[in-house]
Amino acid sequence: EVQLVESGGGLVQPGGSLRLSCAASGFSFSSHWMSWVRQAPGKGLEWVANIKQDGSQIYYVDSVKGRFTVSRDNAKNSLYLQMNSLRAEDTAAYYCARVEIPTGVYCFYMAVWGKGTTVTVSS
Amino acid sequence: DIQMTQSPPSLSASVGDRVTITCRASQNIGSSLNWYQQKVGTAPKLLINAASSLQSGAPSTFSGSGSGTDFTLTISSLQPEDSATYYCLQTNRAPWTFGQGTMVEVK
Repeated sequence: EVQLVESGGGLVQPGGSLRLSCAASGFSFSSHWMSWVRQAPGKGLEWVANIKQDGSQIYYVDSVKGRFTVSRDNAKNSLYLQMNSLRAEDTAAYYCARVEIPTGVYCFYMAVWGKGTTVTVSS
Repeated sequence: DIQMTQSPPSLSASVGDRVTITCRASQNIGSSLNWYQQKVGTAPKLLINAASSLQSGAPSTFSGSGSGTDFTLTISSLQPEDSATYYCLQTNRAPWTFGQGTMVEVK
């Protein structure tokens, strides 16, 4: 079964750090771009970051640049999000997702999602 | 950044109604547009990719159309289980951007 399981969320004070993990199983993790998407309580979805199969290309939303770092360990089938200098506005459910790149059509999409892990930034 | 303007923010319709949700991109994104359904407390579920390709497992009552800047998600016959929030997502250029969402209530 194809599965993504996030972990590492919790309560952290403003200015603190947290590292999220996403464990992948049931598919060839090293063959896929991966993404992080977040959703603040009662708000819409926000794409956070993408990382290429070998980690050679990484993209971030502007609001997390310089504070968040996405990485992966293909040997461990794991995706990570290191979050530093956390702010109240980073409070959200964080989802990891598998990126698909179909042949013949230029349209990336995320079809496999984890259930999410919740990050709360508060004093 | 590419802005995605989704409308309406919410709608209420009856079982069997035809429902349309639109998404407009601030610049040409070709067919790099996906539609997601999200029910409360769960992860988003992909319905449509590449503007009009129905995802495996998604009900055939869902369809997508459009290209360039204007896109539409249509539910041909609304069902009680379609009560959810729907989001468009452009993946033409980073940063990927979602629409604001459309909350659909089934009367």
